[in-house]
Amino acid sequence: AQSVTQLGSHVSVSEGALVLLRCNYSSSVPPYLFWYVQYPNQGLQLLLKYTSAATLVKGINGFEAEFKKSETSFHLTKPSAHMSDAAEYFCAVSELSGTYKYIFGTGTRLKVLA
Amino acid sequence: EAQVTQNPRYLITVTGKKLTVTCSQNMNHEYMSWYRQDPGLGLRQIYYSMNVEVTDKGDVPEGYKVSRKEKRNFPLILESPSPNQTSLYFCASSSSGTLPSVTQYFGPGTRLLVL
Repeated sequence: AQSVTQLGSHVSVSEGALVLLRCNYSSSVPPYLFWYVQYPNQGLQLLLKYTSAATLVKGINGFEAEFKKSETSFHLTKPSAHMSDAAEYFCAVSELSGTYKYIFGTGTRLKVLA
Repeated sequence: EAQVTQNPRYLITVTGKKLTVTCSQNMNHEYMSWYRQDPGLGLRQIYYSMNVEVTDKGDVPEGYKVSRKEKRNFPLILESPSPNQTSLYFCASSSSGTLPSVTQYFGPGTRLLVL
């Protein structure tokens, strides 16, 4: 079965600093990968997704992620953090076995310091 | 406005008292799913449905039931709730045209406390 690992349950960055949130997956074939963001007391919304079209994926709010097959990683980055980026971020992978299940990571809470 | 709605948003109940959490979407999506979110565990999929009358288990289906009699609705049923089902529940939907790469749209969540 596929799995997703998010390193760091809490990450703090200063406003204007680089944001790097880590996600590694386990899969014998390239999966579909997603990053979702959850703002306080809200549901999740899609930031970006990898569907094999391009290894560097650009999403909303200035975020991007790079799919690296050799490292089985899909890390999320943003060059300059903004206070409004404070939220919880989830990496997810979708099963390719025909079951159409989704596996989410445990989440990383991003704190942005003024 | 395209949206996924859940009701109720907050619910306190007692062990063993059957309850239903409703989920409805207005986007004509074929795929719908239920998740529970617990601290340190992220989101875990409970059940999903590919279309009307087609449902399947996710990773944590024990203690839950679902039904899909209409395309827009996908209720989650807890027939005999227990305290370990205290959680934040999310419903999500997506079109099925290019599964599994499609974007899921999430509802606002239902916070359940089972005493």
